[in-house]
Amino acid sequence: GEDVEQSLFLSVREGDSSVINCTYTDSSSTYLYWYKQEPGAGLQLLTYIFSNMDMKQDQRLTVLLNKKDKHLSLRIADTQTGDSAIYFCAESPDRGSTLGRLYFGRGTQLTVWP
Amino acid sequence: DTEVTQTPKHLVMGMTNKKSLKCEQHMGHRAMYWYKQKAKKPPELMFVYSYEKLSINESVPSRFSPECPNSSLLNLHLHALQPEDSALYLCASSQTWRTSREEETQYFGPGTRLLVL
Repeated sequence: GEDVEQSLFLSVREGDSSVINCTYTDSSSTYLYWYKQEPGAGLQLLTYIFSNMDMKQDQRLTVLLNKKDKHLSLRIADTQTGDSAIYFCAESPDRGSTLGRLYFGRGTQLTVWP
Repeated sequence: DTEVTQTPKHLVMGMTNKKSLKCEQHMGHRAMYWYKQKAKKPPELMFVYSYEKLSINESVPSRFSPECPNSSLLNLHLHALQPEDSALYLCASSQTWRTSREEETQYFGPGTRLLVL
């Protein structure tokens, strides 16, 4: 399978910006996703970006993609306590036997302190 | 509307029981997925249905039996489970599958938390 790496923990103060980082290995064109999972809940799709884009912004969320370094980041502006959750980065390659599969990172636990 | 619903929300069963998990979507999606998620881990793919046909079975034990009666419904039949099968079972759907397009974006349901005693 594909390797998607994330740091496991991030703590920030309420009102600060959070930046969650992810690296992936697939070199083909691909969609990259960010999902949020609150305790006991399913995965909520936050945003996604195609690998021919550098940046995507959606309200408080900014996704940056460095395709050369295969590095993806999710920036949450003005982080709130309700943003505390696990954030999964996921990759959907477009080739061969990996086509049609989502490869997840291990998830980053974001804790927001009041 | 990007809603996937799952029932029941919680399920406790013994190792000799037979039960079923249900998943439903009314977005006109033609691909549906079952995932298993253990605590503090990412979801693991179990099955993929595309146009109501089983397309991927990730070597899942036969005590898990998926069924797709129509394009909106996906079931997971459970029989003779083991305690290690306790997990959150997530259903997802997407407009298409293996098209490498935006329509392949997966939307997840809230999950069924299963406890096997």
